[in-house]
Amino acid sequence: AQTVTQSQPEMSVQEAETVTLSCTYDTSESNYYLFWYKQPPSRQMILVIRQEAYKQQNATENRFSVNFQKAAKSFSLKISDSQLGDTAMYFCAFMKHFRFSGGYQKVTFGTGTKLQVIP
Amino acid sequence: DAGVTQSPTHLIKTRGQQVTLRCSPKSGHDTVSWYQQALGQGPQFIFQYYEEEERQRGNFPDRFSGHQFPNYSSELNVNALLLGDSALYLCASSLDRGRDGELFFGEGSRLTVL
Repeated sequence: AQTVTQSQPEMSVQEAETVTLSCTYDTSESNYYLFWYKQPPSRQMILVIRQEAYKQQNATENRFSVNFQKAAKSFSLKISDSQLGDTAMYFCAFMKHFRFSGGYQKVTFGTGTKLQVIP
Repeated sequence: DAGVTQSPTHLIKTRGQQVTLRCSPKSGHDTVSWYQQALGQGPQFIFQYYEEEERQRGNFPDRFSGHQFPNYSSELNVNALLLGDSALYLCASSLDRGRDGELFFGEGSRLTVL
């Protein structure tokens, strides 16, 4: 079974500054996806960024980027130029590659990091 | 483009009762997954429906059951409610069994069991 660990329950950052959220995971799989999901106070969770394990290049989406260390099983999220709208719970998540899961998916989430952006 | 919609948004039940939660997936999506999110926790996978059948199931008892209709909408049923079933229940839709991993979530149904 896969596990996802987020060791920072809460973090805060000043507006316009940079913050890094940590995530580690445990799996015996070699092909998988990793995700960061954002859940604002309105509760609707949205995908922030996705990384495929076989790709060595770190994923980037505008102000969001990841540091994927496969050997260390580490997957951190960096938010640059933090904005007030970034205030939310952030969940790190794992999913086996569909070729190795019978084609049907489930996503395993961590316990989340509550990020507060301070004006 | 309608996103994922869930109903009801809030509900209160007592122990032993039964509850039905409903979900309409994002337009064009054919796969629905249900997650339970207890307070202060990450979502936990309950099960996934594709082609009107349960395809995968997490570590939840048989009290949790579901259904998917021909229009891809879905229901989650929980029987014999326990206090520990109090949680936010999230529906997530995806395309083609969620192969690319991207889930689109609804705002959830907040269930309180007294």
